[in-house]
Amino acid sequence: NAGVTQTPKFQVLKTGQSMTLQCAQDMNHEYMSWYRQDPGMGLRLIHYSVGAGITDQGEVPNGYNVSRSTTEDFPLRLLSAAPSQTSVYFCASSYSPGQGNEKLFFGSGTQLSVL
Amino acid sequence: AQTVTQSQPEMSVQEAETVTLSCTYDTSESDYYLFWYKQPPSRQMILVIRQEAYKQQNATENRFSVNFQKAAKSFSLKISDSQLGDAAMYFCAYTEGNNDMRFGAGTRLTVKP
Repeated sequence: NAGVTQTPKFQVLKTGQSMTLQCAQDMNHEYMSWYRQDPGMGLRLIHYSVGAGITDQGEVPNGYNVSRSTTEDFPLRLLSAAPSQTSVYFCASSYSPGQGNEKLFFGSGTQLSVL
Repeated sequence: AQTVTQSQPEMSVQEAETVTLSCTYDTSESDYYLFWYKQPPSRQMILVIRQEAYKQQNATENRFSVNFQKAAKSFSLKISDSQLGDAAMYFCAYTEGNNDMRFGAGTRLTVKP
């Protein structure tokens, strides 16, 4: 079982560059989300999706775009990277809320450094 | 917005001893879910234990148990018979079962041999 797969594991960008963090899950989960983890701040929700074609903003959405064209994939795009976006990024998925199983399944994370 | 507070940035415990990690949260809701996640140096987020707010009985998973005090909005994690492999960051998390899970800042647990 692959679970939630994130690529790449590490990435270094220059200020102003763009890139896409990939996330795929094979558990047929409707709900997918992106978090960033910063020291002393825990994990904060960037964007989430409750199904193909549906996305919404979380706590810290500025500077990030998402789309959900399929149930399996939920890429996160940085259009113009800034040093403040240096962080560890996690993709997570779960069954639809309200089904009594709100456990999040996490990917292995992406360490992103913006110089 | 709901907030989750972990007041202990770092904790240490002797191998085979017991340690308790604290977590408090702020909410006006009566139905919600609470979690403890473990993050070892591998960076992987691992679910340790889960508690539904409507259940009065405290959740238990082997050596891990919680003390859920709904009125006090407190959700502490007790690790019994601590092992070297328990060393990790531990995150407390809250969700109402919607699309937003809130995490605390984390507690780094060190286990001394």
